[in-house]
Amino acid sequence: DIQMTQSPSSLSASVGDRVTITCRASQGISNYLAWYQQKPGKVPKLLIYAASTLQSGVPSRFSGSGSGTDFTLTISSLQPEDVATYYCQKYNSAPVTFGQGTKVEIK
Amino acid sequence: EVQLVESGGGLVKPGGSLRLSCAASGFTFSSYSMNWVRQAPGKGLEWVSSISSSSSYIYYADSVKGRFTISRDNAKNSLYLQMNSLRAEDTAVYYCARDRRPVTTYVVDYWGQGTLVTVSS
Repeated sequence: DIQMTQSPSSLSASVGDRVTITCRASQGISNYLAWYQQKPGKVPKLLIYAASTLQSGVPSRFSGSGSGTDFTLTISSLQPEDVATYYCQKYNSAPVTFGQGTKVEIK
Repeated sequence: EVQLVESGGGLVKPGGSLRLSCAASGFTFSSYSMNWVRQAPGKGLEWVSSISSSSSYIYYADSVKGRFTISRDNAKNSLYLQMNSLRAEDTAVYYCARDRRPVTTYVVDYWGQGTLVTVSS
């Protein structure tokens, strides 16, 4: 099965900082990569699919890139409401796998 | 408004069984693939199972294959997960989740609030 590895596991940044989270697949998955945001005590929310397509209603400060095995989620200007854990998900075929998550906090 | 409401969670002994239900509303349920995703306490997300709109295609995570059965009743707008031979490691919040497209993509755009399953003696 394809494994998804996120880095870092956690990060702390200041409001307004540019934040980048990386997700690496153990095998190529083309662009079948999604990103989810889960705020504390809340259900996950879809941010990006097809590696770079922003889900409707998601702020434009979020962006995704990558193809094959290496992907990134970027928050161009970190806001207090972005405190959350972020998960990547590969979905080219079953079994579906998520990354272990990246916890983002405000410094 | 899309709504997914899970029920059926609770405390069960190892080796026991439980059936989760998910009542869907606010969209044409029969047109969408559906998923179950779980999250152990303080842990990350784990995909459990998916079922296509007409139940023609069903997939399971290796960790539950042979023990869990996903099904749906389009006439009742309901999704189910029959869980047998439960283990302590199945303890988690189970989310009912809608695929973002009518075809199976495994990408979830709507989630229920989840139902907690605790497997303990």
